[in-house]
Amino acid sequence: AQSVTQLDSHVSVSEGTPVLLRCNYSSSYSPSLFWYVQHPNKGLQLLLKYTSAATLVKGINGFEAEFKKSETSFHLTKPSAHMSDAAEYFCVVHSNTGNQFYFGTGTSLTVIP
Amino acid sequence: DTEVTQTPKHLVMGMTNKKSLKCEQHMGHRAMYWYKQKAKKPPELMFVYSYEKLSINESVPSRFSPECPNSSLLNLHLHALQPEDSALYLCASSRAGNTIYFGEGSWLTVV
Repeated sequence: AQSVTQLDSHVSVSEGTPVLLRCNYSSSYSPSLFWYVQHPNKGLQLLLKYTSAATLVKGINGFEAEFKKSETSFHLTKPSAHMSDAAEYFCVVHSNTGNQFYFGTGTSLTVIP
Repeated sequence: DTEVTQTPKHLVMGMTNKKSLKCEQHMGHRAMYWYKQKAKKPPELMFVYSYEKLSINESVPSRFSPECPNSSLLNLHLHALQPEDSALYLCASSRAGNTIYFGEGSWLTVV
């Protein structure tokens, strides 16, 4: 069975400081993992995805994530937060059975000016 | 082009009304999804269509009725909804085993 745990429901950072949003997964096989961002009153936008190629994945808007199989983690990072990064972030794992996607509970990122 | 288009963006309906939400994608994806999202919560899966056939129905009440007329279109027919059904309804599509792409959503208010 697949599942995703986002370890922080809220993260607050100052503008210009690094961002770390944590995600752990559970999967019985090599998973496909994704990070999505949702700005207020908007749909979900793909930030980046891991599909068993390079373990360090670069995404849009300066975000990147590292797949660590030994730690079953896929944490999202950004070197320097921008005000426009304030949003809800979802870690997602894909299941081959039934073509389903499993969502974490989300992390709300606040950026302080 | 990674676009999923949803209409309408906003819908207000009474509890006795019948309305429909529409979704369209032209990426050649053969899996299409309806999700319901409440404020500050992750999307909850409602239905999955795979090759125009309903493959997953997550015990959704019958007042929600999905329809997939062809590989590009997905509808969600609404009838006799309750106020607690007010939410953001997200359509999405994916190529099997690959990335899922979301529309901007339809905000539904049931009065």
